Amino acid sequence: KQEVTQIPAALSVPEGENLVLNCSFTDSAIYNLQWFRQDPGKGLTSLLLIQSSQREQTSGRLNASLDKSSGRSTLYIAASQPGDSATYLCAVIEGGSEKLVFGKGTKLTVNP
Amino acid sequence: KAGVTQTPRYLIKTRGQQVTLSCSPISGHRSVSWYQQTPGQGLQFLFEYFSETQRNKGNFPGRFSGRQFSNSRSEMNVSTLELGDSALYLCASSLEGRVSASSYNSPLHFGNGTRLTVT
Repeated sequence: KQEVTQIPAALSVPEGENLVLNCSFTDSAIYNLQWFRQDPGKGLTSLLLIQSSQREQTSGRLNASLDKSSGRSTLYIAASQPGDSATYLCAVIEGGSEKLVFGKGTKLTVNP
Repeated sequence: KAGVTQTPRYLIKTRGQQVTLSCSPISGHRSVSWYQQTPGQGLQFLFEYFSETQRNKGNFPGRFSGRQFSNSRSEMNVSTLELGDSALYLCASSLEGRVSASSYNSPLHFGNGTRLTVT
């Protein structure tokens, strides 16, 4: 059974700092991995989608990497801003069942 | 382009009642999926519909059901509500369904959810 883990559960950083969020998954048989952000009381916003054959994706200040063999992904946020404060979730579409399996997220706070 | 719309935003029900939640996908999107989010379990997949057919189902009891209409709008129903059903229910739409590995590249667009409280 696929399990997705995100460590740490919460992170607080000063504005301007570069930071890395981690995601690990137990079964490397995935179709893709996605990173989302969720603001309080809201739905999820898709940030980056990495196909299983890709190693990384970039969008603006965000860069996500994928290492299927080790079951790990990282989301790098450059020059963090208070507006980046949110919960960040990663999710994989697992092979076989084709279900989307989420981690429990990392709550990021960027302090001005 | 309008985003994914979920109604109602908030619901309060009592144990034993049933509830129906609605989701209108982005225009042109044919796939709708549903998720339950709780503080303890996080986000869990409920089911996915594509062209009015259920494509996939999560590990939830039969009290949870859904359907999709010809205009791609979807509803989910929970019967005989329990206290543990209190959660944020999210739906998401995408352009394509999970019909093949190549179609997994359509990002999901989420609605703001329906907050269900069971008392």
